[in-house]
Amino acid sequence: KNEVEQSPQNLTAQEGEFITINCSYSVGISALHWLQQHPGGGIVSLFMLSSGKKKHGRLIATINIQEKHSSLHITASHPRDSAVYICAVSTMDSNYQLIWGAGTKLIIKP
Amino acid sequence: NAGVTQTPKFRILKIGQSMTLQCTQDMNHNYMYWYRQDPGMGLKLIYYSVGAGITDKGEVPNGYNVSRSTTEDFPLRLELAAPSQTSVYFCASSPGSNYGYTFGSGTRLTVV
Repeated sequence: KNEVEQSPQNLTAQEGEFITINCSYSVGISALHWLQQHPGGGIVSLFMLSSGKKKHGRLIATINIQEKHSSLHITASHPRDSAVYICAVSTMDSNYQLIWGAGTKLIIKP
Repeated sequence: NAGVTQTPKFRILKIGQSMTLQCTQDMNHNYMYWYRQDPGMGLKLIYYSVGAGITDKGEVPNGYNVSRSTTEDFPLRLELAAPSQTSVYFCASSPGSNYGYTFGSGTRLTVV
């Protein structure tokens, strides 16, 4: 079993839909990261959180430390949101090495 | 606002050749990282550095070397390139542990 698991692996939705991507982890963490990788390959860091909730534009990330679970939400989804969304955690043993989820491929159809 | 700059963007190497992938950041970040991403796979950490003069191995360091003589630069050296090193290489930096990462645009390397 992977230490960081994301679901779903693939998600196709219509423009405007509310999107939720989930991340569960089985290790003690010091922080959880959400990143976005566009079809062209570039990687952008969206959020880094260790508790609670963060919001940036149409993106919202939440984390429940007790349940070892995080969600990334996209409101009013748009085709330009199509990308791979990756969850990664830095553990209490090593702040330098992230443990990566497999990613969720999101396609938003117009 | 250059952020993290990687060069070259693309390169084809012959088996046994050597090359250096350059990475420079202008944000005065202490931490820098090299990752590789094989097709359809996640990122794997090759080497990282927590400051000038300090480097350490990541998950997949074999076949690579790094140096960190300045805060800004973190070059990755490939000696005796092998087809297994065909991958996309990403350099990243962060101010410290538990901060967000800034990634370079990647170097697509093919070894033939």
